[in-house]
Amino acid sequence: QSALTQPASVSGSPGQSITISCGGTSHDVGTFTGVSWFQQHPDKAPRLLIYEATKRPSGVATRFSGSKSGNTASLTISGLQAEDEADYYCCSYAGSNTFVFGLGTKVTVL
Amino acid sequence: QVQLVQSGAEVKMPGASVKISCKASGYSFTSYYIHCLRQARGQGLEWMGFINPSAGSASYSQKFQGRVTLTRDTSTGTVYVHLSALTSEDTAVYYCARGGQVPYSSKFDSWGQGTLVTVSS
Repeated sequence: QSALTQPASVSGSPGQSITISCGGTSHDVGTFTGVSWFQQHPDKAPRLLIYEATKRPSGVATRFSGSKSGNTASLTISGLQAEDEADYYCCSYAGSNTFVFGLGTKVTVL
Repeated sequence: QVQLVQSGAEVKMPGASVKISCKASGYSFTSYYIHCLRQARGQGLEWMGFINPSAGSASYSQKFQGRVTLTRDTSTGTVYVHLSALTSEDTAVYYCARGGQVPYSSKFDSWGQGTLVTVSS
């Protein structure tokens, strides 16, 4: 299956809100609730931010929120902070016990 | 606390195989799926497959079918990832991650530290 579609980069100033989109199809994002978002800092393992499209694990700041509409999922970071500068990946269940990731979005805090 | 500890870096010749271990602790090993993913330098995350530690059954990405095998040892809480017929394209950091309690969950909430596999002649 094809990778989910994410913008290569998104930037914002401290305190602003940014949204990262994750475009899929009716075979993945559009059909299944298992959409997750991960944050990855350089040379670190990824960290779970959002699961089941909208749920936030304990310990994740409330400024991270997720949504889904049709074949597109989105991650919003409200009140952008310097430490939010990282790569972000979406992931969806794609049926038949398989998963697909997006190619990643680099977030820059100006 | 939940922890996944992976084996150390490997250097392999093209055509060889590699076996990476991922030892889980801090939770009921047989209750959560374990996934294997990889990331080439400067590239994105790529899902390779998962194993149900309770049943021992596994599912793989079509891309790696026939070349990757996930197994587990319930006595030690360890998952093994075996990748064969290595090429330079397999040079990457390999991660294990704990998934959910059902196969379709992408709630990868705990990750190993990563294992660098370098394929070079």
